[in-house]
Amino acid sequence: ETGVTQTPRHLVMGMTNKKSLKCEQHLGHNAMYWYKQSAKKPLELMFVYSLEERVENNSVPSRFSPECPNSSHLFLHLHTLQPEDSALYLCASSQDWIAGGTDTQYFGPGTRLTVL
Amino acid sequence: AQTVTQSQPEMSVQEAETVTLSCTYDTSENNYYLFWYKQPPSRQMILVIRQEAYKQQNATENRFSVNFQKAAKSFSLKISDSQLGDTAMYFCAFMTLLDAGGTSYGKLTFGQGTILTVHP
Repeated sequence: ETGVTQTPRHLVMGMTNKKSLKCEQHLGHNAMYWYKQSAKKPLELMFVYSLEERVENNSVPSRFSPECPNSSHLFLHLHTLQPEDSALYLCASSQDWIAGGTDTQYFGPGTRLTVL
Repeated sequence: AQTVTQSQPEMSVQEAETVTLSCTYDTSENNYYLFWYKQPPSRQMILVIRQEAYKQQNATENRFSVNFQKAAKSFSLKISDSQLGDTAMYFCAFMTLLDAGGTSYGKLTFGQGTILTVHP
């Protein structure tokens, strides 16, 4: 596989469930991002990991818990979500200019999450 | 804080014609980057074009070109010879680079998007 992949592509969960979203990048990048895309709203940055360390948390509720076990994988653990959390969750990755990249972000196809 | 405004919620164009999508932004930064991304109905966000603010020359990628007016904080996208596959939501985005202790990462701010429909 090439680029950035995300699984699952669709997820329906109840408010009491626990689930995880997975992102994998095959580009050799050193930064990874989670975004939330809701209808009629601009993309919202949620979390950023650089060299496997979280460097940005944009006031995201604690029911969203990110994990970056290595530079290629990023997870978003979900628990006790609310219906308003239903959205498209996008993962992205980039390579910083110090390491020879351009900091341009490349996105995965997203996971469509529906919370009942 | 940075803001990005796309004033055209929807646009349409005939196949083979040219269309221009507008974008303005507000920032006090001097070093930044600007992007156009497209998101087709399949929803994969795809990079269209990138512009460094320090470069005066407008970026071009095949049928896609930008008109970057730094003083006016304007960054429009021109699509020439429109094709049916260009039908998508187009997002303008502003990026600043932030330090992460020896590395950097980009912080993107997106506009609301413009839905472009190309008609046969």
